Amino acid sequence: DAGVIQSPRHEVTEMGQEVTLRCKPISGHDYLFWYRQTMMRGLELLIYFNNNVPIDDSGMPEDRFSAKMPNASFSTLKIQPSEPRDSAVYFCASSLQNLLSGANVLTFGAGSRLTVL
Amino acid sequence: AQTVTQSQPEMSVQEAETVTLSCTYDTSENNYYLFWYKQPPSRQMILVIRQEAYKQQNATENRFSVNFQKAAKSFSLKISDSQLGDTAMYFCAFAEYNTDKLIFGTGTRLQVFP
Repeated sequence: DAGVIQSPRHEVTEMGQEVTLRCKPISGHDYLFWYRQTMMRGLELLIYFNNNVPIDDSGMPEDRFSAKMPNASFSTLKIQPSEPRDSAVYFCASSLQNLLSGANVLTFGAGSRLTVL
Repeated sequence: AQTVTQSQPEMSVQEAETVTLSCTYDTSENNYYLFWYKQPPSRQMILVIRQEAYKQQNATENRFSVNFQKAAKSFSLKISDSQLGDTAMYFCAFAEYNTDKLIFGTGTRLQVFP
């Protein structure tokens, strides 16, 4: 398996523009997570899905952020309109619930670095 | 709410030496999981080691081991025989039993010098 695939790897955009980040989870994984990493706040969980259904979006910072998972192999995180404070690295991760131990072991993508000017 | 604290923003160690990274957490739960993830300059997040809270024995993975002190809510990572490739950010993370969310600390940047 190619692992969790994210695109784009880097994105530079201007304030007010729409940004769409994409993620392809590992085939067969039934959980998908979106994290944001900044120097000030570290890694923050934005939202996660189970079987394509959003379970917890309490980490989404505001209405400008939205995430979808139309099928088991694809998810998007959209920011509209973007602002300079959205500049960060956005990670997607997927996992397969370990029913024996109950632990979710996440596999992360390489991240998308977003710069909003 | 659960929190994870890593009080060492940066650490350095000489190659072949041993270094310990600290992590404390706060929870009222009795069953949970703890993890250490490594993030090298490539940005990829890599699972280093994990510990189930109900297990008293400290987890070990080759040169990596943990010192899990449940009563003190402490979960430190020891890296033995440090190698240049260990240079990375290290994140401590917590997850409640049978939940789906990992809560991360702010990370410790480790530099291994030749």
